[in-house]
Amino acid sequence: GAVVSQHPSRVICKSGTSVKIECRSLDFQATTMFWYRQFPKQSLMLMATSNEGSKATYEQGVEKDKFLINHASLTLSTLTVTSAHPEDSSFYICSARPGTGGTVSRRGYTFGSGTRLTVV
Amino acid sequence: GQQLNQSPQSMFIQEGEDVSMNCTSSSIFNTWLWYKQDPGEGPVLLIALYKAGELTSNGRLTAQFGITRKDSFLNISASIPSDVGIYFCAGPRPETSGSRLTFGEGTQLTVNP
Repeated sequence: GAVVSQHPSRVICKSGTSVKIECRSLDFQATTMFWYRQFPKQSLMLMATSNEGSKATYEQGVEKDKFLINHASLTLSTLTVTSAHPEDSSFYICSARPGTGGTVSRRGYTFGSGTRLTVV
Repeated sequence: GQQLNQSPQSMFIQEGEDVSMNCTSSSIFNTWLWYKQDPGEGPVLLIALYKAGELTSNGRLTAQFGITRKDSFLNISASIPSDVGIYFCAGPRPETSGSRLTFGEGTQLTVNP
């Protein structure tokens, strides 16, 4: 089945530094990947949609200059949190969707295991 | 913002009991998805529903796609301790040509042995 690998699983960084999170589809090509943010005891909130070969689409209220997304290949998307602040501490989760195979409506969304970011 | 209203927010049950949770929306969804999230992990798909009225089972789990396409429920029968976690309903946002998912607020399930 479709597997999405997310790395690192946990990261602690100092305020003001940047952190890169990787999301890889291991056994399928993903033309579209999604980045979510989840605060404790809350639901997943979509931050942006990453499209291979084009600019990411950001949700309203998400700063594109702060959360840089690069979808460099059909199997890799990266999220870089720039100039991190303590309020950026959260659980970041990516998901990927196969670009081919099956009807569009039935291409499932597979999630990575998440990255716990702590900014100190 | 969120379009899916999920209830209940939390449930505390005894092992062996059945559980039911549901999601409603003001918009029509063409697909309903139910996920489970364990602490510190990403969501894992439990059941996917693609047609109004569809009733689908996965072991002790059963989910239904409401006839109006604005609601869905998930039942868990004979709960066991490993059922503990957060359950989310989700669906592709109709206005995005079905590409972006919206999640419900989640149901935190606690099973007492």
